[in-house]
Amino acid sequence: GENVEQHPSTLSVQEGDSAVIKCTYSDSASNYFPWYKQELGKRPQLIIDIRSNVGEKKDQRIAVTLNKTAKHFSLHITETQPEDSAVYFCAASTEDDKIIFGKGTRLHILP
Amino acid sequence: DTAVSQTPKYLVTQMGNDKSIKCEQNLGHDTMYWYKQDSKKFLKIMFSYNNKELIINETVPNRFSPKSPDKAHLNLHINSLELGDSAVYFCASSQELGLAGHNEQFFGPGTRLTVL
Repeated sequence: GENVEQHPSTLSVQEGDSAVIKCTYSDSASNYFPWYKQELGKRPQLIIDIRSNVGEKKDQRIAVTLNKTAKHFSLHITETQPEDSAVYFCAASTEDDKIIFGKGTRLHILP
Repeated sequence: DTAVSQTPKYLVTQMGNDKSIKCEQNLGHDTMYWYKQDSKKFLKIMFSYNNKELIINETVPNRFSPKSPDKAHLNLHINSLELGDSAVYFCASSQELGLAGHNEQFFGPGTRLTVL
């Protein structure tokens, strides 16, 4: 079955710097890769997603890249702000129509 | 208006009890899910229903039984609760898979279950 690995588990960056979170997946049939942000005590919410027919997608300070050959995708956050502090989850679809989540990255934005 | 709602928000109970968590979505979605998030924040899918029909049933104990009275509701009933069931349970919903594949999942606020 699908296995989604996410790194790092914890990431601290200075406010204003960039943050990068990386994920790998194992199912070559995966074609949908969402990223969710979960603030403390809140529900996960979609921040960006990418489908397999696209290599990169950007939405303001957030971008996602996908390398289908290498089976990895990354989240890039530029000009980080205090409100970016949260747990971020990558996920990948599977051939049997599930969404499998990575184990999450706790991002701390340092003042 | 709340898109996906769950009740209760907190649930504290003794081992061996039976409890239910309710979920409702007003988005008109066809697919609903239950996830378990443990203390390490790992989000694991438990069940998925499409138009009231079970389509995914991960390896969870059969003490957990989902029930979908209609496509806007997916309730989770748990029998004989154990200490290891303590976690946050999230309900979610999404549009039915289309030609483009999966769609965004909208999560409920979560139910924090504590088994003593």
